[in-house]
Amino acid sequence: DTAVSQTPKYLVTQMGNDKSIKCEQNLGHDTMYWYKQDSKKFLKIMFSYNNKELIINETVPNRFSPKSPDKAHLNLHINSLELGDSAVYFCASSQVDRGQGTQYFGPGTRLLVL
Amino acid sequence: AQSVSQHNHHVILSEAASLELGCNYSYGGTVNLFWYVQYPGQHLQLLLKYFSGDPLVKGIKGFEAEFIKSKFSFNLRKPSVQWSDTAEYFCAVSGGSYIPTFGRGTSLIVHP
Repeated sequence: DTAVSQTPKYLVTQMGNDKSIKCEQNLGHDTMYWYKQDSKKFLKIMFSYNNKELIINETVPNRFSPKSPDKAHLNLHINSLELGDSAVYFCASSQVDRGQGTQYFGPGTRLLVL
Repeated sequence: AQSVSQHNHHVILSEAASLELGCNYSYGGTVNLFWYVQYPGQHLQLLLKYFSGDPLVKGIKGFEAEFIKSKFSFNLRKPSVQWSDTAEYFCAVSGGSYIPTFGRGTSLIVHP
């Protein structure tokens, strides 16, 4: 069984479009995250949700909005896509009272904006 | 605020060579330290972690890391690398909030 899953795996779209990436974890973790990895492999944390509450929000554009319908899901919605949004987006989860924040990553969504 | 510095951005080794990747962190309190590995085209996976106790921790695939508190370091080592160790390696630190901060990563290429 996949612990952290993301859909889609690949996403190719035009500038200006709106798109969503879905993430689900079946580990029972209480915290979920979104990361952006650029072409130089630099990993930047974008959002973290703990029990449906946003607890950090690094300085990402407000075109990016996380949505968590329940603690097993954290979706990422992106409005008005720009060329610079092209990257790999990783979802992750952790249980903060066990494992001190050990991250379990999803397979990634490779976004290409044309 | 916590920060992580990985000094080696690119490392190229031959098979059977020994490996040491540097990681230094900055944080004023009790830290949790991690090394993650990302094989080509894949997601990050936990290699090893240190929370407390023995500062020398052993991970998967023969990797180990040593926490040296006085040097704020958590270097990753492997006595003999294999071609299959070619990957990106990330050091990470978390403090009381358990939100991790990642280093910029080290790209390791092992020639057969």
